Amino acid sequence: AQSVAQPEDQVNVAEGNPLTVKCTYSVSGNPYLFWYVQYPNRGLQFLLKYITGDNLVKGSYGFEAEFNKSQTSFHLKKPSALVSDSALYFCAVRDMRAGRRALTFGSGTRLQVQP
Amino acid sequence: GAVVSQHPSWVICKSGTSVKIECRSLDFQATTMFWYRQFPKQSLMLMATSNEGSKATYEQGVEKDKFLINHASLTLSTLTVTSAHPEDSSFYICSARDYIGESYEQYFGPGTRLTVT
Repeated sequence: AQSVAQPEDQVNVAEGNPLTVKCTYSVSGNPYLFWYVQYPNRGLQFLLKYITGDNLVKGSYGFEAEFNKSQTSFHLKKPSALVSDSALYFCAVRDMRAGRRALTFGSGTRLQVQP
Repeated sequence: GAVVSQHPSWVICKSGTSVKIECRSLDFQATTMFWYRQFPKQSLMLMATSNEGSKATYEQGVEKDKFLINHASLTLSTLTVTSAHPEDSSFYICSARDYIGESYEQYFGPGTRLTVT
């Protein structure tokens, strides 16, 4: 089985401050991990993914995420938040051994960046 | 990158009628497509896996007779909501899978908002 937890329904941060959106996962084998962003009434936009290699993954729009195997976490980060980053963020996972399986999504975290 | 389209982007229908949503992979062939459903302020829940040339695989709790899936070609999957009811109102998102390098990648469509009155 594969699952994802996003413990925060909402994260508030002031513009210019660093932001972190938390994600923990559970898989039987090694994970493929993803972050997506969703704006109102829109589909998902891919931000970044981790498959293997460097634990720090850099993605679109200045976002990055750090894979921590011991803590089974994949937190999304950005050094300096923008108001335009305000959106709904989803973490997703797929067990590497279950390549045919669909991605499983977390519950989502709403990021609110205040000017 | 790979592009997935959905049509229509939004639809309003009356209770009791059926609605068809199309999902197309525009620049790649997808033997497998996935259909997700998203309620307001909630996550994406996988409804079914659509396989080209064979029957779809439905997740537990999803009524196969209500949500008909047809994967007629390598670039097209359709979801038909039959005898729609207001509780079927939701945002439906499809995803097409492509094999890149040594792994499968999922590409998502822009979604279809269904409102049943």
